[in-house]
Amino acid sequence: EAQVTQNPRYLITVTGKKLTVTCSQNMNHEYMSWYRQDPGLGLRQIYYSMNVEVTDKGDVPEGYKVSRKEKRNFPLILESPSPNQTSLYFCASSLVRNQPQHFGDGTRLSIL
Amino acid sequence: QQPVQSPQAVILREGEDAVINCSSSKALYSVHWYRQKHGEAPVFLMILLKGGEQKGHEKISASFNEKKQQSSLYLTASQLSYSGTYFCGTEDNAGNMLTFGGGTRLMVKP
Repeated sequence: EAQVTQNPRYLITVTGKKLTVTCSQNMNHEYMSWYRQDPGLGLRQIYYSMNVEVTDKGDVPEGYKVSRKEKRNFPLILESPSPNQTSLYFCASSLVRNQPQHFGDGTRLSIL
Repeated sequence: QQPVQSPQAVILREGEDAVINCSSSKALYSVHWYRQKHGEAPVFLMILLKGGEQKGHEKISASFNEKKQQSSLYLTASQLSYSGTYFCGTEDNAGNMLTFGGGTRLMVKP
C-alpha cells in the first residue's frame, strides 16, 4: 500500500531533549516536505526536499533540521526543543513538485 | 506570505452550494486544494496550473484566475461527507515552496 509513515504518532517530552521524528515513503517520490499545523494558522512549511541531498528552508525553519540521505526517508530533527514547538507535524511527499502531496498521519508533539 | 482564504467558516444544509476563495499577493504558478477531516491528515482534491483549465472532481470543482491571483473552490449539492477544513496551497513563479492558507471550516448539516 502506498503510504507516508511518520513515527512517533504522539510524543511528550521536555525542553532541550533532542528528538527526531521519522518520515518514510514507499512511492519513490522525489519531493518531500514537513509542515506544522497550529490552530488558525493552517499548515506552515518547515523544510522541503526536491531530491536526495537537496533540502531547503520553508516558512518556519528556525529550531529544526532535516536530512535527505535516502530518497525514501526525510527525518525532522529538533536539536533543542522548546515549548513553542508544541504542535501537530505532518510529513508529505509527491512524485515531483506540483503533483498531489500524500500526507502522513501526523505526529503530535508536546514540549513541556 | 500565506494566501488568504474566505470565508473562514461556513455552515450549510445538505444539498446547498458553497464557494471558498483563495487569494494571493504574488503571481501564482499553481494552486492546490486539500480537505482535512477532524483528526486526520489533509487529502488532495485538485491542482490548478497556470494556463490550465478549470478542474472538476465529482461535485467539487475549482477555477484559477491568474490575473487576479485568485482561486475558487465550488462545492455543489453538498453532502455530509464534505464537512471538514479546506486548505488552498499556492506556489509562485519563483519558488519550489507550497504555502497554505489558514483554512476554511465547512460544516454540512442534515
